[in-house]
Amino acid sequence: TQLLEQSPQFLSIQEGENLTVYCNSSSVFSSLQWYRQEPGEGPVLLVTVVTGGEVKKLKRLTFQFGDARKDSSLHITAAQPGDTGLYLCAANFGNEKLTFGTGTRLTIIP
Amino acid sequence: ETGVTQSPTHLIKTRGQQVTLRCSSQSGHNTVSWYQQALGQGPQFIFQYYREEENGRGNFPPRFSGLQFPNYSSELNVNALELDDSALYLCASSFGNWDGYTFGSGTRLTVV
Repeated sequence: TQLLEQSPQFLSIQEGENLTVYCNSSSVFSSLQWYRQEPGEGPVLLVTVVTGGEVKKLKRLTFQFGDARKDSSLHITAAQPGDTGLYLCAANFGNEKLTFGTGTRLTIIP
Repeated sequence: ETGVTQSPTHLIKTRGQQVTLRCSSQSGHNTVSWYQQALGQGPQFIFQYYREEENGRGNFPPRFSGLQFPNYSSELNVNALELDDSALYLCASSFGNWDGYTFGSGTRLTVV
């Protein structure tokens, strides 16, 4: 069974601070995606990473794919209240399904 | 370009009943995946359909079944509803598996 663990499970910080959330697995990913989900909505794709060691930036968000393709991180600089939401990593382990992590619920306090 | 549309948005059913949830995929997408998301959890894979055939299934019992139609829209059917089936059911469409999924807003199912 391929599992994705995310940490921390909950994170509450002040506006303007930086933060990092993590996604880890015991198995190698073919590719990994990060999504953000707001209450009452489906997850929205933020980024897809496919190459070990890859780094992608999306404005204040930086996504890193581990060299061994078994972990990933999401770093947010100068967090804003609009960043509040559930952050989900999702991996493809080489089969037809996308396996989602347990999620990190982020709250940015104005 | 239209997104993924799910109906209904909310539904209340009694234990033992049957339910059908519907999903219209994004234009140009040929693959539909269904997920169950319990409160406070990440989505769990139910099954995927590609060109009207089931293309993979998660750890869900046979009372969860689905269909995909020639226009790539899809249905999720659940028979003999149980209280634990209460969840947000998400439909996601994609073109294959590698370009990321577009999710609908989900159907919130409550079984009482």
